[in-house]
Amino acid sequence: DAGITQSPRHKVTETGTPVTLRCHQTENHRYMYWYRQDPGHGLRLIHYSYGVKDTDKGEVSDGYSVSRSKTEDFLLTLESATSSQTSVYFCAISRQDRGAYNEQFFGPGTRLTVL
Amino acid sequence: AQSVTQLDSQVPVFEEAPVELRCNYSSSVSVYLFWYVQYPNQGLQLLLKYLSGSTLVKGINGFEAEFNKSQTSFHLRKPSVHISDTAEYFCAVSGVNNAGNMLTFGGGTRLMVKP
Repeated sequence: DAGITQSPRHKVTETGTPVTLRCHQTENHRYMYWYRQDPGHGLRLIHYSYGVKDTDKGEVSDGYSVSRSKTEDFLLTLESATSSQTSVYFCAISRQDRGAYNEQFFGPGTRLTVL
Repeated sequence: AQSVTQLDSQVPVFEEAPVELRCNYSSSVSVYLFWYVQYPNQGLQLLLKYLSGSTLVKGINGFEAEFNKSQTSFHLRKPSVHISDTAEYFCAVSGVNNAGNMLTFGGGTRLMVKP
């Protein structure tokens, strides 16, 4: 298994509170991604990172911010959580080989409930 | 940009019967195609991938898929399913030469294998 951990694995919070989810990798891969999974929508990309301090928006980035101060850690922050952000959040990583596609490896997920 | 449509949200099937999970994609560029499997309360695991070459791709656990460019499809098949195949299956697409190994996922198909 790829060395990816997510913390916390479960969280219940109230509307309006800030929440930070952490993704940690031991693979030294360049790319890291945050997705949310909702029934009928599959996985949708929130933000991704292509290096330390290098991040970009994905398909559903509104209401989320990210930071990557070290290669191994990618943080996802909900500045003021809303009920629509109740979801399962997955982190993924991939390396970069020139001229080749590299598989994404997924973490175990974090189930977030916003009341 | 790419999009993926998984035509069935749920597929019930009896054990030892064959199964086909359907996936159609849309893209303005050449694509790589993937099937991922998610067992209950776990992350996603790569089942198989099409990058180039033979259009019939074999994956883990006896699954295979066929890339049909003219029909823009990548259907997943297994000749005889087991109870342990009960899971959610996601089809995904990535544009060839896209930076960052980006994936676009379909909405998922829940395979329910009955004894």
